[in-house]
Amino acid sequence: GAVVSQHPSWVICKSGTSVKIECRSLDFQATTMFWYRQFPKQSLMLMATSNEGSKATYEQGVEKDKFLINHASLTLSTLTVTSAHPEDSSFYICSAPVVPGQGSDTEAFFGQGTRLTVV
Amino acid sequence: AQKITQTQPGMFVQEKEAVTLDCTYDTSDPSYGLFWYKQPSSGEMIFLIYQGSYDQQNATEGRYSLNFQKARKSANLVISASQLGDSAMYFCAMREERRDDKIIFGKGTRLHILP
Repeated sequence: GAVVSQHPSWVICKSGTSVKIECRSLDFQATTMFWYRQFPKQSLMLMATSNEGSKATYEQGVEKDKFLINHASLTLSTLTVTSAHPEDSSFYICSAPVVPGQGSDTEAFFGQGTRLTVV
Repeated sequence: AQKITQTQPGMFVQEKEAVTLDCTYDTSDPSYGLFWYKQPSSGEMIFLIYQGSYDQQNATEGRYSLNFQKARKSANLVISASQLGDSAMYFCAMREERRDDKIIFGKGTRLHILP
């Protein structure tokens, strides 16, 4: 079945550095990828939508310059947390909304998630 | 206004009993989909069940069933014969066609299965 592979699964970085998170769609092409952030014991909050070949669209309140999203190909979307600070520590997870060819009545496929800790 | 409402922050259920997790939603889009996901402590999102707005019958997947009450905008998850491994966070989610199929989540319900 369709799989979204997300890496790294966890990362610890120093404050001020940048961290890149990758999501790859395996065995299918994802023209769109959703990026979510989840703080401990909270729900998933949609941050932005990456679109292959065009600029990402960000949800209200999400800093575009802070969270750089690139959808370079139909199988790869990346989220870069720039100049990370401790308050950026969170669980980040990507999702491909529909699988082309399987119609819209299907599950969304999620990556495994990335636990980011900024120290 | 919240689009997905889960009113039970936590639930404790005895093993082997059935459990119902509540979910109500708000949309004016005639075409939408409702999901339930399970999230264990590892963080992965495990798909459980899906209900389309035009589906006439309630969705079922093994021990999971979705009680879809369209007029009430309710999509409760029913887990029959609960097991210890069912202990996790459960999220109700909705996808609206005219919102570019973005999936938004409720706040979740923490389910604890007691031995």
